[in-house]
Amino acid sequence: EVQLVESGGGLVKPGGSLRLSCAASGFTFSNAWMSWVRQAPGKGLEWVGRIKSKTDGGTTDYAAPVKGRFTVSRDDSENTLYLQMDSLITEDTAVYYCTTPRKDSSAWLEYWGQGTLVAVSS
Amino acid sequence: QSVLTQPPSASGTPGQRVTISCSGSSSNIGSYYVYWYQQLPGTAPKVLIYRNDQRPSGVPDRFSGSKSGTSASLAISGLRSEDEADYYCAAWDDSLTGVVFGGGTKLTVL
Repeated sequence: EVQLVESGGGLVKPGGSLRLSCAASGFTFSNAWMSWVRQAPGKGLEWVGRIKSKTDGGTTDYAAPVKGRFTVSRDDSENTLYLQMDSLITEDTAVYYCTTPRKDSSAWLEYWGQGTLVAVSS
Repeated sequence: QSVLTQPPSASGTPGQRVTISCSGSSSNIGSYYVYWYQQLPGTAPKVLIYRNDQRPSGVPDRFSGSKSGTSASLAISGLRSEDEADYYCAAWDDSLTGVVFGGGTKLTVL
């Protein structure tokens, strides 16, 4: 059974940093592409970014609002996905979901974690 | 403002058929598959329709998807109270090099 468990959310001040983790199990993590999707309170879904598997180059792509501030990385030895968030702004307040995009279509997000809440406030 | 356009709300009575539209452009829906996600209150989204019109196992055949040009739609027939949820369309976008979502449609079963 595929399981994705996010952690690391919390309250942070504007300008601060936070690192989210996503522990994956039930599939071959090293072969998988992974992505983050967020949802601001009472709002819709917003794609944050993705990382390909190392065999597919390990490259990353980001949504415009987070590019240059957020970094997606992975540790295949620990089956863990990370989201390093720097220079946080209030608009980054959201539930952050770890997801598994299909390689043949990154909009096909097959599995989702339960999400972790990040609140950016002074 | 979302890249894909959906109506913010839709409603119907039990047993009715409702459709939810999703409008995009040539860089997303016009060139790539469309996906639909259902988000029940307080839960993570789940895939409802993949590759425009395919249902994952376990999704009732009351749910169907279609795509034409730069638009897509989700139809729900035989509406049930448990269908009350938020529905999102999504597609890859070449210009943005990322996944784009619709703003979501809140479905109310009257």
